[in-house]
Amino acid sequence: AQKVTQAQTEISVVEKEDVTLDCVYETRDTTYYLFWYKQPPSGELVFLIRRNSFDEQNEISGRYSWNFQKSTSSFNFTITASQVVDSAVYFCALSEAMTGANSKLTFGKGITLSVRP
Amino acid sequence: DAGVTQSPTHLIKTRGQQVTLRCSPKSGHDTVSWYQQALGQGPQFIFQYYEEEERQRGNFPDRFSGHQFPNYSSELNVNALLLGDSALYLCASSLVGGNNEQFFGPGTRLTVL
Repeated sequence: AQKVTQAQTEISVVEKEDVTLDCVYETRDTTYYLFWYKQPPSGELVFLIRRNSFDEQNEISGRYSWNFQKSTSSFNFTITASQVVDSAVYFCALSEAMTGANSKLTFGKGITLSVRP
Repeated sequence: DAGVTQSPTHLIKTRGQQVTLRCSPKSGHDTVSWYQQALGQGPQFIFQYYEEEERQRGNFPDRFSGHQFPNYSSELNVNALLLGDSALYLCASSLVGGNNEQFFGPGTRLTVL
């Protein structure tokens, strides 16, 4: 069975601070995808990033970066120079990589990020 | 390029009633998944439709059923509503072979009284 754990429940930072959101996952699948989604107060889940299990290269995209470590089953997400508009609930999610079909997403419980001006 | 749309936005029902929620996928997508998100929790997978058939199902009772139409749009039906069915229902669309990137709609907020 798949499981995603987001141990942090709430984080509060002051604008321009860097913030890292932690995610630990469990899966028996040999190939899988990892995702981060953002859910602002409006409720719509916004796709942020996706990572394949066979690609551990970490990247930076604008103010976002991620650290994928298969050895520790972690997929952490960092926002650099946070802004008030980053305030939202952030979800880490996991899915099996299937051929010819899309698999369900298993989500963590989410981390509420508050960025104060 | 229209994203995922859902209707209605909000819905209030009483226990025992039945409800139908609707979803139109993002243009070009062929797969629709439904999720239930209780307050303060992460979304939970209900089921997924592809080629008008239910392909995967989460741990939800038979009171939850669905349908996918030839134009890829989908409905979620819930019978014999319980208070615990109150939640945000999210529809996600994706394209088979598209690395499982699922795009979500704004959701339908269901309140059962």
